[in-house]
Amino acid sequence: AQKITQTQPGMFVQEKEAVTLDCTYDTSDQSYGLFWYKQPSSGEMIFLIYQGSYDEQNATEGRYSLNFQKARKSANLVISASQLGDSAMYFCAMRAQGGKLIFGQGTELSVKP
Amino acid sequence: DGGITQSPKYLFRKEGQNVTLSCEQNLNHDAMYWYRQDPGQGLRLIYYSQIVNDFQKGDIAEGYSVSREKKESFPLTVTSAQKNPTAFYLCASRRRDRVPPGNTIYFGEGSWLTVV
Repeated sequence: AQKITQTQPGMFVQEKEAVTLDCTYDTSDQSYGLFWYKQPSSGEMIFLIYQGSYDEQNATEGRYSLNFQKARKSANLVISASQLGDSAMYFCAMRAQGGKLIFGQGTELSVKP
Repeated sequence: DGGITQSPKYLFRKEGQNVTLSCEQNLNHDAMYWYRQDPGQGLRLIYYSQIVNDFQKGDIAEGYSVSREKKESFPLTVTSAQKNPTAFYLCASRRRDRVPPGNTIYFGEGSWLTVV
């Protein structure tokens, strides 16, 4: 069965420090995609970063990078230089073959001043 | 501007009533999705559709129904069979290309449904 697991319900980080949000996935597909989304308290879903299963290099988008370890089936999000505006829920998601998109339970990140 | 429009944003339903949530996109996307989100929880997939006139059940389809008669529209009906429908509902769409930006999933702003 396809599944996304985020084991950290909540995380705290000091402003300007880096933080890693964990994500592991389970799939038997050879071709899949991994996403990270941010959801502020307003409810909107903000796309952060994408990693394809055949991409050899880790994806980066500004302060966001994805630590992709295919053998371990992990796709951790690293946020560098945390800002107060980074406080939100973060969701890891996987696009499986057949077009199905599934999400993890999310991690609530709180950035302290 | 291109995007996904969900309506209504807030909806109250009496027990035993069916309600329909609208989702319209003008992005020319092939695939569309409906998710349910309970407070403090992740997104659970209700239904998804990759092409017009075709859709598949997600993980929690019981008590819900959908249609995909037009590429730009994917309405969700919450039927009276759904025992606990109070939740936040999110619609999403995606191009089917594998290369960026086709991989990006676009979301609507969501609809809050409350049973009274």
